[in-house]
Amino acid sequence: EADIYQTPRYLVIGTGKKITLECSQTMGHDKMYWYQQDPGMELHLIHYSYGVNSTEKGDLSSESTVSRIRTEHFPLTLESARPSHTSQYLCASSDRGFTETQYFGPGTRLLVL
Amino acid sequence: ILNVEQSPQSLHVQEGDSTNFTCSFPSSNFYALHWYRWETAKSPEALFVMTLNGDEKKKGRISATLNTKEGYSYLYIKGSQPEDSATYLCAFIPGNNRKLIWGLGTSLAVNP
Repeated sequence: EADIYQTPRYLVIGTGKKITLECSQTMGHDKMYWYQQDPGMELHLIHYSYGVNSTEKGDLSSESTVSRIRTEHFPLTLESARPSHTSQYLCASSDRGFTETQYFGPGTRLLVL
Repeated sequence: ILNVEQSPQSLHVQEGDSTNFTCSFPSSNFYALHWYRWETAKSPEALFVMTLNGDEKKKGRISATLNTKEGYSYLYIKGSQPEDSATYLCAFIPGNNRKLIWGLGTSLAVNP
């Protein structure tokens, strides 16, 4: 069973607030990813990291930012939440990059009012 | 633009039926294909990673085949059970950027 955790699971917040979505894994994986999924749409990669102090933007443009100060922790931050940020955010990790199995967290459902 | 298409979009079967669905992807520039299973309120769970043309993988009653030359993969479930009810996602990895491109999934409902 994968050991990857996301908090909060659900978040309802007002426009303009700063939010941080937490993601932690205890598997020692170097690679971590953030995906965004809007209702009825595909998963889209918004950020990824190949290790500590390494972060890259994914294929879908996002106003969020990420950091990777520790191997196990990959938080995502929105400085000023807007209704357009309402979505589901999924964190994943893998030990060898994109061809290897990705292990997913349970996701955070974000609603910005 | 690289597209991954899955069909059918949804499927309802009776317990005990065998079923299959399709993932279509660009046949050029292939690197790998992933299949995932995503149950409601749970995390997506990896089923298979496929890399070679002609690959066949099996896990219990679920199996998958891969044809990279024509750009498709089939997922088969033999003797469907209610616990197989989930969305089955495939993700294609092109050779030039190695990032997963996801399909919309096939939503399977197995009636007892």
